[in-house]
Amino acid sequence: GIQVEQSPPDLILQEGANSTLRCNFSDSVNNLQWFHQNPWGQLINLFYIPSGTKQNGRLSATTVATERYSLLYISSSQTTDSGVYFCAWRSYRGSTLGRLYFGRGTQLTVWP
Amino acid sequence: GAGVSQSPSNKVTEKGKDVELRCDPISGHTALYWYRQSLGQGLEFLIYFQGNSAPDKSGLPSDRFSAERTGGSVSTLTIQRTQQEDSAVYLCASTQGSGEKLFFGSGTQLSVL
Repeated sequence: GIQVEQSPPDLILQEGANSTLRCNFSDSVNNLQWFHQNPWGQLINLFYIPSGTKQNGRLSATTVATERYSLLYISSSQTTDSGVYFCAWRSYRGSTLGRLYFGRGTQLTVWP
Repeated sequence: GAGVSQSPSNKVTEKGKDVELRCDPISGHTALYWYRQSLGQGLEFLIYFQGNSAPDKSGLPSDRFSAERTGGSVSTLTIQRTQQEDSAVYLCASTQGSGEKLFFGSGTQLSVL
């Protein structure tokens, strides 16, 4: 089956530090999204990024579709960045067409 | 609506009772997803709707679970004869199309006593 692997599983940072989260896929990428789940459980869509690079403030994401991975960069981290970061890949063929597969997430804790 | 709306936000029920969870997607969004998240765990896919049809029901954990969507809008997830292992947060999400961002509701916290 499709595998979506995220690393690292846990990350602890001091406020102001930079970090890189990684997502690997076992199939070709055509629809890749990054989400942040805050400590209250709300999932926020950060990026829709099937290929290339996008930036939104202190966050940026890069997907290299040919090599089946995506990276999420967080610069100058703040305590409000704490939570779980998920990547999700959408199946585009077969009986699972349309299904989104989520990784197990990276738990980020930012200390003041 | 402005966002994906789910109700109730919390539901406590007794083992063996039936429950209905509701999802109202963003207006105009054709695709709707249900996921389940147990405490400290990732997202478990349940079912996906494109319009009113569900091309992929394979994620439903048992025949006690069913879902429908009417008018290409509101969806209801029904769990019959609830069990304690059904306790989780049930999340609904919608998207306008295959090349669009997915937006999640706040979830329904289900507790089966």
